[in-house]
Amino acid sequence: TQLLEQSPQFLSIQEGENLTVYCNSSSVFSSLQWYRQEPGEGPVLLVTVVTGGEVKKLKRLTFQFGDARKDSSLHITAAQPGDTGLYLCAGGQGAQKLVFGQGTRLTINP
Amino acid sequence: DTEVTQTPKHLVMGMTNKKSLKCEQHMGHRAMYWYKQKAKKPPELMFVYSYEKLSINESVPSRFSPECPNSSLLNLHLHALQPEDSALYLCASSRLLQGAEETQYFGPGTRLLVL
Repeated sequence: TQLLEQSPQFLSIQEGENLTVYCNSSSVFSSLQWYRQEPGEGPVLLVTVVTGGEVKKLKRLTFQFGDARKDSSLHITAAQPGDTGLYLCAGGQGAQKLVFGQGTRLTINP
Repeated sequence: DTEVTQTPKHLVMGMTNKKSLKCEQHMGHRAMYWYKQKAKKPPELMFVYSYEKLSINESVPSRFSPECPNSSLLNLHLHALQPEDSALYLCASSRLLQGAEETQYFGPGTRLLVL
């Protein structure tokens, strides 16, 4: 069974601080997606990374795919209350199946 | 346009009712998915349709019956559900190609309550 270990599970920080969320696995993934989910809503795609070592930026969010394509990180700079939500990483291994991390529940306090 | 739509947004049903959840996408995606998500947990895969044919059934009880009438529509028929089936039901779609095209786009979900 492939697993994606996501950490931390919970994070509460003050507005303006920086943070990093990690997804780690012993398995190789052909792609990795990051989603943000609000309560009662569906996950919204933030980014897909496919190349080992790839770095993608989305405004204050920086995503990195590990060189061996087994891990990924999400870094948020100068966090804002609007960044509050559940962040999910999901690894693709073909055959239309995604392996999800357990999620990081992020709270940004004004 | 990367939109997947789902109806209804909320559904309350009794254990003897029959209801259906609907999902639609117009992105030309040829893979469509049903997921179940319980509170504070990641989505769990239920079914996958590839080119309108059921390709994956994750041992889901028969009280859940999927249907894919065409490449844009996906239904989930519900019958004789149990209270523990209460959850957020998510539909997703993807292009059905390797690499970056594995990206799945999710709908807003249907929040189901079984009484």
